[in-house]
Amino acid sequence: GAVVSQHPSWVICKSGTSVKIECRSLDFQATTMFWYRQFPKQSLMLMATSNEGSKATYEQGVEKDKFLINHASLTLSTLTVTSAHPEDSSFYICSATHPRQGNYEQYFGPGTRLTVT
Amino acid sequence: QQPVQSPQAVILREGEDAVINCSSSKALYSVHWYRQKHGEAPVFLMILLKGGEQKGHEKISASFNEKKQQSSLYLTASQLSYSGTYFCGTGVTGGGNKLTFGTGTQLKVEL
Repeated sequence: GAVVSQHPSWVICKSGTSVKIECRSLDFQATTMFWYRQFPKQSLMLMATSNEGSKATYEQGVEKDKFLINHASLTLSTLTVTSAHPEDSSFYICSATHPRQGNYEQYFGPGTRLTVT
Repeated sequence: QQPVQSPQAVILREGEDAVINCSSSKALYSVHWYRQKHGEAPVFLMILLKGGEQKGHEKISASFNEKKQQSSLYLTASQLSYSGTYFCGTGVTGGGNKLTFGTGTQLKVEL
């Protein structure tokens, strides 16, 4: 158990367009999902915390109007990168907390590599 | 502030042992360890909660010293499959389930 999927796994888009990334927990219900961004050879940087049915909590320095997060159900969260620019090119990874052990464990999706041209 | 991991990188021969350290400037409630292979998502290894416990998982174990705000990951009799980048993720009291990930340690195991 504890499988998280992301779609798409790889996307190239033109500057100025928007891209939506989906994160799904396949075999469990996740009340909380997290969105991270990872640049090459760097660590994971938390962008926002997404709770089902409520507004996402964004980390300092992350533009909420640019990175729209929707957590419509206990198994689906989406991240939309609006008006994407080349500097938004990165590896975007979501995670979901599993109900085991008081929701402490985070399981990661396979990631989405975004390239903005 | 991001937890600092040491060493930054290490190369081992198969069968050798390694220790990866994670040090935080904040009071920690939990430490999570992950391994990430190139181009893939991090894979959960183990979690340690406040209480200074040590956990083991076959040849990989970890300790958590909450007073020093440090955790160490111990890899014994390393295998080729252990290669990857190891990250610690730290949680603080009152921080919910949010984790702050460390700087990472690149580990390469060679024959």
